[in-house]
Amino acid sequence: GNSVTQMEGPVTLSEEAFLTINCTYTATGYPSLFWYVQYPGEGLQLLLKATKADDKGSNKGFEATYRKETTSFHLEKGSVQVSDSAVYFCALSGATNKLIFGTGTLLAVQP
Amino acid sequence: EAGVVQSPRYKIIEKKQPVAFWCNPISGHNTLYWYLQNLGQGPELLIRYENEEAVDDSQLPKDRFSAERLKGVDSTLKIQPAELGDSAVYLCASSSREGGETQYFGPGTRLLVL
Repeated sequence: GNSVTQMEGPVTLSEEAFLTINCTYTATGYPSLFWYVQYPGEGLQLLLKATKADDKGSNKGFEATYRKETTSFHLEKGSVQVSDSAVYFCALSGATNKLIFGTGTLLAVQP
Repeated sequence: EAGVVQSPRYKIIEKKQPVAFWCNPISGHNTLYWYLQNLGQGPELLIRYENEEAVDDSQLPKDRFSAERLKGVDSTLKIQPAELGDSAVYLCASSSREGGETQYFGPGTRLLVL
């Protein structure tokens, strides 16, 4: 069945450091891929998405490219801020629109 | 535009008691989802509604969980009786065909069963 694997956290970075959170997936067909973010005490917010191979999703300085050949959708940001501290979830949805999430990666950015 | 609304935000009950969660989706969103999020895990789908019809409830533990979406708008998720292992966050999400079926989540209800 469909599944998502993302790197375990916590990821601890200093402000202005470069961020990469790895995400790989297993799916039949051509899923859509998502990154959601969960700030402390809040619900999940859609950060970015890509619906087909080679698409790049971007938002708030974050980027991720849908790589079909490596079945990956790694999240990157060139310069993180303290306010980026949150849990990041990689997810996919297939033909039934059911979202399959990874286990989440906690990012802690220190000033 | 208002987001997905859920209530209550927090609930503490004793085991074997019933509990209910309420969700109001984004206006015009015909698809509604209930997810369960255990601590340190990603959300897992419990049930999906298209309008008032439950089209995927394969992951809903039907011995104690029930859900309804009367009139195809608001939805209620109920647990009766609650068990210690039901302590988790219950998330509601909604989507629309016009929005490319991207799911938007509410803040969740954090349940603690003692």
